[in-house]
Amino acid sequence: DSGVTQTPKHLITATGQRVTLRCSPRSGDLSVYWYQQSLDQGLQFLIQYYNGEERAKGNILERFSAQQFPDLHSELNLSSLELGDSALYFCASSLGGRGMDTQYFGPGTRLTVL
Amino acid sequence: AQSVAQPEDQVNVAEGNPLTVKCTYSVSGNPYLFWYVQYPNRGLQVLLKYITGDNLVKGSYGFEAEFNKSQTSFHLKKPSALVSDSALYFCAVRDIGGATNKLIFGTGTLLAVQP
Repeated sequence: DSGVTQTPKHLITATGQRVTLRCSPRSGDLSVYWYQQSLDQGLQFLIQYYNGEERAKGNILERFSAQQFPDLHSELNLSSLELGDSALYFCASSLGGRGMDTQYFGPGTRLTVL
Repeated sequence: AQSVAQPEDQVNVAEGNPLTVKCTYSVSGNPYLFWYVQYPNRGLQVLLKYITGDNLVKGSYGFEAEFNKSQTSFHLKKPSALVSDSALYFCAVRDIGGATNKLIFGTGTLLAVQP
């Protein structure tokens, strides 16, 4: 157990809908990252937050957004969902925002868009 | 641009035999390198990481990896494979000089250890 928690574990929804994925980092970690894992794209970095502020953006669609709250938990919002958004979404956390810190991954949320 | 290559989609090895999972990387500066393992329906667990210093890095569950700067490689090894080592293995790199902490992952190598 990495100490990173993600809810829900599974999510099934329809095209055009909006969902929110939640992540709680390890105790003491200030940085949160979101990754998408799909069969065709592999593991792709989406976005990073550090102590409440956006630090870096990766291959994140405009339909997707995220935030990190004062208690350091983070939410990833996915809207106008398409079939191709079906994937495993991971949250990871690290102590700091740069450098050699190890990223610890949560168990993931499996999103299925029908 | 940073990139990681894992040339083998799958590696098959008999239990008790040594195993190697290959990884090469490309970064503009010096790298931080990681190996993660993913078991079915589970998240990624870090096995080991190379930051600096000794080129041979020892990690969890008896795994080790050797950093080779001239060949830009970071192959994962274990002297004696176990059936329980069967999983998906990812190599990842972070550019030390990069502005972010994001990891670039390889495509993954499925390790199958036969009893």
